[in-house]
Amino acid sequence: DIVMTQSPDSLAVSLGERATINCKSSQSVSYNSNNKNYLAWYQQKPGQPPKLLIHWASTRESGVPDRFSGSGSGTDFTLTISSLQAEDVAVYYCQQYYTPPISFGPGTKVDIK
Amino acid sequence: EEELVESGGGLVQPGGSLSLSCAASTFTFYTYWMSWVRQAPGKGLEWVANINQDGSDKYYVDSVKGRFTISRDNAKNSLFLQMNSLRAEDTAVYYCARAPYDSGRSYFFDSWGQGTLVTVSS
Repeated sequence: DIVMTQSPDSLAVSLGERATINCKSSQSVSYNSNNKNYLAWYQQKPGQPPKLLIHWASTRESGVPDRFSGSGSGTDFTLTISSLQAEDVAVYYCQQYYTPPISFGPGTKVDIK
Repeated sequence: EEELVESGGGLVQPGGSLSLSCAASTFTFYTYWMSWVRQAPGKGLEWVANINQDGSDKYYVDSVKGRFTISRDNAKNSLFLQMNSLRAEDTAVYYCARAPYDSGRSYFFDSWGQGTLVTVSS
């Protein structure tokens, strides 16, 4: 099974500043044959279900603000919030779907400094 | 916009059973892979089970194999999770989640319900 890890566990960023979250998989989640990275990012606010932000490592879901961006390949991925807004306070999870069983990272909590 | 509404959660004793339901609306339910994903209180997300479009393929996380059964009724746009031999570690919010159209067994989730809480305690 693929194990996902995230760093940091939590971070506090000033409004308007950049927030960077890292996600690492225990084995590559990228297929060379189709050049796709099987990695998604979710945002979960308190009391709400997760919301899909990014899939294929860098494709933003429809309606997601462009301050959210994803990058990376192989085993190392990053979610960047370019200019943190108050409404971005949440826990962020990465998920691999390269091979079953589907697995999630433990989450990174983002707060306002 | 697609909607998923879970029901059936509650308090159950260890060793007991519970059946969860998820009612889907505003999308062609029978064309999508569906999953259950759970989240223990204050913890992260764990995929539990999924089922293909016609219900012929079902997969489970190891910790629930032999105890949980996923099923669906496409005529009623509904997804189910029968949970038997429940343990304290099954305590969680259970979410119904949809994989995108034309996806497969291992995919991301583009729509989630609000979840239903299952508490296993004596």
